[in-house]
Amino acid sequence: GQNIDQPTEMTATEGAIVQINCTYQTSGFNGLFWYQQHAGEAPTFLSYNVLDGLEEKGRFSSFLSRSKGYSYLLLKELQMKDSASYLCAVEGYSTLTFGKGTMLLVSP
Amino acid sequence: NAGVTQTPKFQVLKTGQSMTLQCAQDMNHEYMSWYRQDPGMGLRLIHYSVGAGITDQGEVPNGYNVSRSTTEDFPLRLLSAAPSQTSVYFCASTQGGELNYGYTFGSGTRLTVV
Repeated sequence: GQNIDQPTEMTATEGAIVQINCTYQTSGFNGLFWYQQHAGEAPTFLSYNVLDGLEEKGRFSSFLSRSKGYSYLLLKELQMKDSASYLCAVEGYSTLTFGKGTMLLVSP
Repeated sequence: NAGVTQTPKFQVLKTGQSMTLQCAQDMNHEYMSWYRQDPGMGLRLIHYSVGAGITDQGEVPNGYNVSRSTTEDFPLRLLSAAPSQTSVYFCASTQGGELNYGYTFGSGTRLTVV
């Protein structure tokens, strides 16, 4: 079976750092994605982790521990435009299983 | 380079009607898939395809059919629409394999069944 958990909502202040956690239990694992989705729009790719460790891309970083079934997305220097839903997704065989998403609200 | 194109963007159907949601990609991706997104449920896989002529069911396939006659196109057919199929539908594609540059999503189709 597939089970992916992430917090439903988080709030943070502009300029701060926020960490969104994701835990997973899946029958197959090829990698873990993080997507950003603004209201009414399609998901857009943020990061992809296959091996354990930290991947850094500008203000965004993603960490993976395969042995613990755990990942996090770290957003630095938060901006108002970062208010969105963040989706954790595990890749199986050519498809994705998503968590329910974390709604992040950035306030001034 | 258009990426993944979905049509229509919005659709209202009456219960029992049938329709086809179109999805086309111009990136020569082998893998294509359909997801539905409902409030509080996240994105759930309906059907997917790993190449022309090959399709398989996902988590929530009932009431939907797919076919993949070409690499570019992956239409989703609603056989007899029901209010429970009111949702936002996303098509996605990826090259897969070791050169994984992520899944590209279409802009979505917002379907309401009344």
